[in-house]
Amino acid sequence: SSELTQDPAVSVALGQTVRITCQGDSLRGNYASWYQQKPGQAPVLVIHDKNNRPSGIPDRFSGSSSGNTASLTITGAQAEDEADYYCNSRDNSGYHWLFGGGTKLTVL
Amino acid sequence: QLQLQESGPGLVKPSETLSLTCTVSGGSISSSSYYWGWIRQPPGKGLEWIGSIHYTGSTYYNPSLKSRVTISVDTAKNQFSLKVNSLTAADTAVYFCARGEWLVLSDSWGQGTLVTVSS
Repeated sequence: SSELTQDPAVSVALGQTVRITCQGDSLRGNYASWYQQKPGQAPVLVIHDKNNRPSGIPDRFSGSSSGNTASLTITGAQAEDEADYYCNSRDNSGYHWLFGGGTKLTVL
Repeated sequence: QLQLQESGPGLVKPSETLSLTCTVSGGSISSSSYYWGWIRQPPGKGLEWIGSIHYTGSTYYNPSLKSRVTISVDTAKNQFSLKVNSLTAADTAVYFCARGEWLVLSDSWGQGTLVTVSS
């Protein structure tokens, strides 16, 4: 398969934990990255190589993977985490990139 | 600090060719570690990878766009460019340039530029 599937929308209460998932065959052999995008802004990398955080990304963001599913977990969600989240990985050829359709996270 | 800046026309006519340039500052485009890419986002929709290039000239394109897309690099100017031909309204999008590595599509993005395809 050449697709990555995400739930269109997820909500979480302030301070609670939320998991955003991404499914696709390419994830069996490739690491996922996760991008956060707020309205009118460029995406920001929050997790790469399954569970590595770039400098400046809070440690409440973490990643994991099992089989064909990658997950982004936010432990203790903050109001500023409300955004669209996109997963991304190489496809099975190894030469092309795929994006999931994005998940809109609402912090209640 | 690395900065990427897209430049090009904001309005292009259907059937014509879009040309965008990304100027890189605060770092060298000739670093062997990095790949330079283009990603687009239609209004209200998700992200789509267009293609990537290494400073050596190796290119990788989205199979769905490959027949219409060309990405090139100018190491002397520290720039890379995108051309998309045979434009239709479906190509209307915010176009982002980005820097990445082999295992990470992008760790640094330009601010994006909106391109509208309309007569």
